[in-house]
Amino acid sequence: AQSVTQPDIHITVSEGASLELRCNYSYGATPYLFWYVQSPGQGLQLLLKYFSGDTLVQGIKGFEAEFKRSQSSFNLRKPSVHWSDAAEYFCAVGPAYGNKLVFGAGTILRVKS
Amino acid sequence: NAGVTQTPKFQVLKTGQSMTLQCAQDMNHEYMSWYRQDPGMGLRLIHYSVGAGITDQGEVPNGYNVSRSTTEDFPLRLLSAAPSQTSVYFCASRPTSDYYEQYFGPGTRLTVT
Repeated sequence: AQSVTQPDIHITVSEGASLELRCNYSYGATPYLFWYVQSPGQGLQLLLKYFSGDTLVQGIKGFEAEFKRSQSSFNLRKPSVHWSDAAEYFCAVGPAYGNKLVFGAGTILRVKS
Repeated sequence: NAGVTQTPKFQVLKTGQSMTLQCAQDMNHEYMSWYRQDPGMGLRLIHYSVGAGITDQGEVPNGYNVSRSTTEDFPLRLLSAAPSQTSVYFCASRPTSDYYEQYFGPGTRLTVT
């Protein structure tokens, strides 16, 4: 069965520091992978997605993610975190064409000044 | 262009009561879906629709009904509310041409006592 694991429930980083959020997936076929961000009281917004090709994917707001098939991982990174990045981040996996995304449990990012 | 709207924002129900969560989008998207978000569990798909008159079950459909009479609206009905349905509910829509660029509404926080 497909599943997504985000090992860190909470992460706190200082403003200006680098960030890496971990995501591991289990999927029987070629995975399509996504990162979403949810600001407090808001719906989810797509940060980036990986379908194929270059394993390093650039997204909005200065985020990037790297797909590593050998490690079944799709970690999200940002070189310098801003206070406005404080939010909850969700990793998700889905089939090539379909309607059902499977989400991880989320990682809450806190940014300290 | 309002995007995806949901009403109400908050709702408290007693066990056994019924209610309808409203979702509307003005982007002419064929695909719409309902998720519930519970702490530590990410988002789980309840029901989805690929167009007017067509609906299908997601991961956790029990206790919920949907219908899709127009492209714009996709209401979610709770027939007999239970405490286990206390959650935050998100509606999402996307164009048929982009399987994963989903647009999420702001959510409805439901408490069943």
